Amino acid sequence: EAQVTQNPRYLITVTGKKLTVTCSQNMNHEYMSWYRQDPGLGLRQIYYSMNVEVTDKGDVPEGYKVSRKEKRNFPLILESPSPNQTSLYFCASSLGWRQPQHFGDGTRLSIL
Amino acid sequence: SQQGEEDPQALSIQEGENATMNCSYKTSINNLQWYRQNSGRGLVHLILIRSNEREKHSGRLRVTLDTSKKSSSLLITASRAADTASYFCATDSYSGAGSYQLTFGKGTKLSVIP
Repeated sequence: EAQVTQNPRYLITVTGKKLTVTCSQNMNHEYMSWYRQDPGLGLRQIYYSMNVEVTDKGDVPEGYKVSRKEKRNFPLILESPSPNQTSLYFCASSLGWRQPQHFGDGTRLSIL
Repeated sequence: SQQGEEDPQALSIQEGENATMNCSYKTSINNLQWYRQNSGRGLVHLILIRSNEREKHSGRLRVTLDTSKKSSSLLITASRAADTASYFCATDSYSGAGSYQLTFGKGTKLSVIP
């Protein structure tokens, strides 16, 4: 089954404790991206990757890191999480950046 | 940056009625896409319309695109309670300097009352 898998689905953690949200897709997609969704602000893109080893900042990259060492994986790293990063996060993948995006089920992060 | 803006923010209709949502955007696009999100879940792609297309249909969905007005509409005919969800438009914008972003609006929350 074609899918984008995010883990964990839910996480409550404390300020400053490094965390990684994993994202994996099984569709051989080149384009992958991370979004955060906050009430009243819609979806905002954090980082995107056009292909392996090619990543670029989206609209809200501060406080986040990504890597794309393999085509299928695109982890999101919060080196020193802060409460303002409490949000619902989505990973998405597609054949190309203008093509329909396939979204994961989301990761709800709460940073205390 | 927010490229697409949906209107209205919220819409409540009776089952069987038609629902129309609008999306306005600011800069030239190649494609405009509509997505659906059930509460707290991942977005699901509904339909993509190219800039040289004026109308597209998929089942009970009808999308129109007016590039001169930089606007699109999504019509859901004969709505069902299961159509209750948030609907988002997304536009592609190449801003130069190697930036390739798909930008989503804030969404229209549709409630279909049985």
